[in-house]
Amino acid sequence: SQELEQSPQSLIVQEGKNLTINCTSSKTLYGLYWYKQKYGEGLIFLMMLQKGGEEKSHEKITAKLDEKKQQSSLHITASQPSHAGIYLCGADSGGYQKVTFGIGTKLQVIP
Amino acid sequence: DADVTQTPRNRITKTGKRIMLECSQTKGHDRMYWYRQDPGLGLQLIYYSFDVKDINKGEISDGYSVSRQAQAKFSLSLESAIPNQTALYFCATSDSGTGNNEQYFGPGTRLTVT
Repeated sequence: SQELEQSPQSLIVQEGKNLTINCTSSKTLYGLYWYKQKYGEGLIFLMMLQKGGEEKSHEKITAKLDEKKQQSSLHITASQPSHAGIYLCGADSGGYQKVTFGIGTKLQVIP
Repeated sequence: DADVTQTPRNRITKTGKRIMLECSQTKGHDRMYWYRQDPGLGLQLIYYSFDVKDINKGEISDGYSVSRQAQAKFSLSLESAIPNQTALYFCATSDSGTGNNEQYFGPGTRLTVT
């Protein structure tokens, strides 16, 4: 079965700083999803990556899927308190029928 | 109005009780999922349904059952609740017509079994 490892598990940054969260898969990634979760609330879809080398941006958040398609990174530029939450990566598994999720990276942004 | 709704949002129940969590969606999606989230374990898939007549077990289905009453409704039942079923439960939907697994989540139900 596919496993996703996220690093770091938690992160505290000063407002305005840049940061990167990584998601590494035990198998080739065919569809990679990034979600954000505010504490105790539902997950909000951020971005989906499907092709090796693909890069997408939304506001100050950029996600990339590496060429070998076993790792994705999420980069936040000039972090703000509104970026705080838990970031989860998910990957297609079971013949695109299911999504396997990583444990998540907890981000705190200090004003 | 929210596209994916869950009721109740919070529930405290006692060991041995039967409890039902409900999920409704207005997105018109054919696929629906139930997950539980525990600290340090991430999201684990309990059951998923690709249409009203297609229901499948996920990774941790023991102790749970589901019912897809209509395309828009998918309920999760705990037949006899036990304390280790205390968790945050999420319902999610996706559209098979998109060719991907982009899922839309409800706000969650926080369940405590005492």
